[in-house]
Amino acid sequence: GEDVEQSLFLSVREGDSSVINCTYTDSSSTYLYWYKQEPGAGLQLLTYIFSNMDMKQDQRLTVLLNKKDKHLSLRIADTQTGDSAIYFCAETPGSSNTGKLIFGQGTTLQVKP
Amino acid sequence: DTEVTQTPKHLVMGMTNKKSLKCEQHMGHRAMYWYKQKAKKPPELMFVYSYEKLSINESVPSRFSPECPNSSLLNLHLHALQPEDSALYLCASSLSGAGGELFFGEGSRLTVL
Repeated sequence: GEDVEQSLFLSVREGDSSVINCTYTDSSSTYLYWYKQEPGAGLQLLTYIFSNMDMKQDQRLTVLLNKKDKHLSLRIADTQTGDSAIYFCAETPGSSNTGKLIFGQGTTLQVKP
Repeated sequence: DTEVTQTPKHLVMGMTNKKSLKCEQHMGHRAMYWYKQKAKKPPELMFVYSYEKLSINESVPSRFSPECPNSSLLNLHLHALQPEDSALYLCASSLSGAGGELFFGEGSRLTVL
């Protein structure tokens, strides 16, 4: 089946790096995404990676994909208090041609000053 | 313009009311989505429209009725809702219905009394 799992909570100090991890079960996933949701707001697409890539970097964000272990991570360098939010990992299942996303439960990132 | 605009931002309705949520995008996207999100949970897919045709209905109760008048607009008609339908309703769009980046609106927060 299709399942995406994340740890529920991560706390870091301002200026440190944050690493949020995600595992998924569908080995034929085509796209994998990271979304950010601040309180009371919608989902903001942070970055995504094609399943044939193993790394993508975008300013303070680095996405690593280990396809063999079905493990995705999001590293935020120099974490700021404005990065406090819920981060959702999501995948487009390989069986889907409809854009349907399977979301993880979300990781709440708390950044302490 | 990379925005998905949803109105209203907040809606309170009684169980006998009829109301509608609206969503608009001008990015030329041909797929549009409704998601439902309960507090501290990931979004759950409700409906997908691809090229103005309903392509996915995730067994949503008939008290929710989607409508796609044209490729830029998506409505969700609400009738005889229950208090447990109170949630954040998120609209999203993507270039095509075959995957890729989904862009989300800020959501409409619905409270059913």
